[in-house]
Amino acid sequence: EVQLVESGGGLVQPGGSLRLSCAASGFTFKTYWMHWVRQAPGKGLVWVSRIYSDGSITSYADSVKGRFTISRDNAKNTLYLEMNSLTAEDTAEYYCARGGSGRSGDYYFGMDVWGQGTTVTVSS
Amino acid sequence: QSVLTQPPSVSGAPGQRVTISCTGSSSNIGAPYDVHWYQQLPGTAPRLLIYGNNNRPSGVPDRFSGSKSGTSASLAITGLQAEDEADYYCQSYDSSLSGRVVFGGGTKLTVL
Repeated sequence: EVQLVESGGGLVQPGGSLRLSCAASGFTFKTYWMHWVRQAPGKGLVWVSRIYSDGSITSYADSVKGRFTISRDNAKNTLYLEMNSLTAEDTAEYYCARGGSGRSGDYYFGMDVWGQGTTVTVSS
Repeated sequence: QSVLTQPPSVSGAPGQRVTISCTGSSSNIGAPYDVHWYQQLPGTAPRLLIYGNNNRPSGVPDRFSGSKSGTSASLAITGLQAEDEADYYCQSYDSSLSGRVVFGGGTKLTVL
């Protein structure tokens, strides 16, 4: 079964850090783009970051650039999101999602597999 | 403020047809980047509904269809059913943002 399972969420104080993980199974993880998408309580989906299959290309939303770092370990089939300098505006459910394969594949196939999400709450 | 604009809400009676619009610009939908649609049922993760403007992943009923023209896209749902009540999001990419991913603000579909 193709599956993504996020972990690492929790309560953190403003200015703090957190590292999210996303464990992939049931597919050849190392051939796909991977994304992080977040959703604040009662709000819509907001794209956070993506990473190419071999980790050589990354991009970020302006709201997290310089504070968040996406990475992956293809040997462990795991995607990561390192989050620093957290503020209340980062409070959200964080989803990892599978993108396309190949350099341009991400544009054509959408995000076809999603995890169940992990909750990040930034509060004192 | 989302780069892609969707109506906040639409509604329809069971059996009816509804459409959800997604309006962008020449730097995203009109670039032309593909548009994808997602369905999010209450309390669940999003699910890919339409990819590449008008393609359905396996398991998605053919009651759902997508189209794109110029700088806009639409999701149509025919034969509306109670279980279609959900939030729907369009997604594309934006060349003015270095090809980064953009979502619409989402549309709440209510089945009357």
